[in-house]
Amino acid sequence: DTEVTQTPKHLVMGMTNKKSLKCEQHMGHRAMYWYKQKAKKPPELMFVYSYEKLSINESVPSRFSPECPNSSLLNLHLHALQPEDSALYLCASSQVSSSTDTQYFGPGTRLTVL
Amino acid sequence: DQQVKQNSPSLSVQEGRISILNCDYTNSMFDYFLWYKKYPAEGPTFLISISSIKDKNEDGRFTVFLNKSAKHLSLHIVPSQPGDSAVYFCAASQLSNFGNEKLTFGTGTRLTIIP
Repeated sequence: DTEVTQTPKHLVMGMTNKKSLKCEQHMGHRAMYWYKQKAKKPPELMFVYSYEKLSINESVPSRFSPECPNSSLLNLHLHALQPEDSALYLCASSQVSSSTDTQYFGPGTRLTVL
Repeated sequence: DQQVKQNSPSLSVQEGRISILNCDYTNSMFDYFLWYKKYPAEGPTFLISISSIKDKNEDGRFTVFLNKSAKHLSLHIVPSQPGDSAVYFCAASQLSNFGNEKLTFGTGTRLTIIP
């Protein structure tokens, strides 16, 4: 089983709202990732968690705040977003964080910021 | 700076024939390469991977070839089926300064299989 689940599937929010994206995996993976994908572009890495600790932040604006409550869950808290933040947000996980581990992706959350 | 490039944005292949998708990279520190398949509004689905110490890996209808000296890899699908129609992303992995895996994606190739 290589399933990563993400909720919600779609989210529409105003620029003053606070919302959260959720990601879950039960594969025993200890590395989890957030990516952002704009239309007709490749996924771009935002954050990496390794053993529940934030290890990579790719210069993401502070209006995006990740959280890893435990080894199975990854959240992305959103606050004061801009319309240009509208995108598909993808979560991924891998066995352990090394360069030869395969990342498995969730279906994504389609975010629209009005 | 695009470190992983897929120079063909689209490719059309007749059903039953071979599909060949190409990918070039510039960073010699990449040591693991993956191909993902993506349908619209879905997450990428892992297809096949290859370590930099190998030059070929095969899994059913999918074969990935790696030419390290040319910094080039390709994905062969044979025979091509209508369900293979999707966007294919090449991705390359390296260890970051923090000891974590960093995955860099190519720009994608849209494959259309013609019945």
